[in-house]
Parts: sequence; structure tokens; C-alpha cells
Amino acid sequence: KAGVTQTPRYLIKTRGQQVTLSCSPISGHRSVSWYQQTPGQGLQFLFEYFSETQRNKGNFPGRFSGRQFSNSRSEMNVSTLELGDSALYLCASSLGGRTDTQYFGPGTRLTVL
Amino acid sequence: AQTVTQSQPEMSVQEAETVTLSCTYDTSESNYYLFWYKQPPSRQMILVIRQEAYKQQNATENRFSVNFQKAAKSFSLKISDSQLGDTAMYFCAFRHAGGTSYGKLTFGQGTILTVHP
Repeated sequence: KAGVTQTPRYLIKTRGQQVTLSCSPISGHRSVSWYQQTPGQGLQFLFEYFSETQRNKGNFPGRFSGRQFSNSRSEMNVSTLELGDSALYLCASSLGGRTDTQYFGPGTRLTVL
Repeated sequence: AQTVTQSQPEMSVQEAETVTLSCTYDTSESNYYLFWYKQPPSRQMILVIRQEAYKQQNATENRFSVNFQKAAKSFSLKISDSQLGDTAMYFCAFRHAGGTSYGKLTFGQGTILTVHP
């Protein structure tokens, strides 16, 4: 079974631009969670989607948004990029139950100049 | 809010030896799950082991085992017969099993483990 895939793997943007990252979950998984990883803040939860609905969100500004499609693929969007948005963005998929294990993708490395 | 603390920023071990990584957590919940993930230099986060809080028996996965002390809110990872491929950043993570905490893992700061030949 194929793992979680994320595209693109690397991205360079400038301040003020917007960016869209994509995550394709493991086949059969209906939940996708997004995390931001930075050296200073570590791993922080952004939001979780299940069956095209956002069920949970972390403490991030409204510039960070996401969506999920009917095939469970998810996208996250960051508008008006700031230097501090430079990070590794990880997505994780699971079956969707509260106790299900999350499996992570390889991440998208975003650099904001 | 839950917090997860890994007090060892870096650890090193010789190949074939045993090493233990520490993790403590703080929660008022009784129903939760704990995880150890490893993140090698490739950055792919890989599940190492999972522990259900309601189970008293410590989880094991081949060379990896945990020492789960619920009362002390401690969850350490023991790696036996360390291999060069175990070199990675290790994260302890907490997940609440109820309420509205869907999809949210709370991570510790990580421990960089280096296995020396």
C-alpha cells in the first residue's frame, strides 16, 4: 500500500505571496492532519480534516487554511507569507477514529525569502 | 492543555548497546495514547511504538520497548542492540482519546540520538 505523499517537496516563495501544499493520504484513510515543524517551536498542530470537514484546528492565524476533497486528498494554503512561515510542513493520515495511529508523509520544505 | 517534555536534547550510544530516552507528560485526562516517532535525516516521520494508557503492559516492537509509568506520567523508550540506522531525532507524542481532540498529536521537543560504530 502506498504511503502518504506530499507535493511539492520543496518550495521557495517571497514575503506576501501565497502557497498551496498538497497531501494524498494512504488509500482508505479519511483523516488528514497538518503540522508545522520549525527549529524554534518544534512540531505544532495546524488542523485536521475528515470527510471534507475540519474537525479540529490549532492555534494559528487565519492566514493558514485548508480543505479536503471527496477522495480524501487535502490541501493547505498559507496567504500573505511571512518569513516566520518558513518550516517543514508535515501531513499525516489515519482512518479517522480518535484512537487511530497517524502515518506521516515526507513533508514539504517551505522557504520564505 | 497537554504538555510533553523530553529533557534530553541529545544522546549518543555505541552500536549494539542499549539506550533509554525519557519523556514525561502532563494531562488531566485518563484516556489517551502515547507514541514514539523517529525522524531520520531524510525528515520522514516514522512510527516506532504506541502505548494505550488503559493497558498496564508495556508495549514492545522488536528492539524497541517502553516503560510506561502512568502515575508518574512517564513514558521512556528503550532501544536495545542499537544500530546505525537508529540515528535520528526521536519524538514523544500524546493524543487524547476523547472529546474534540481529533487528529491532534502533541509532541515533545525531540531527542537527537546518534549511534556510533
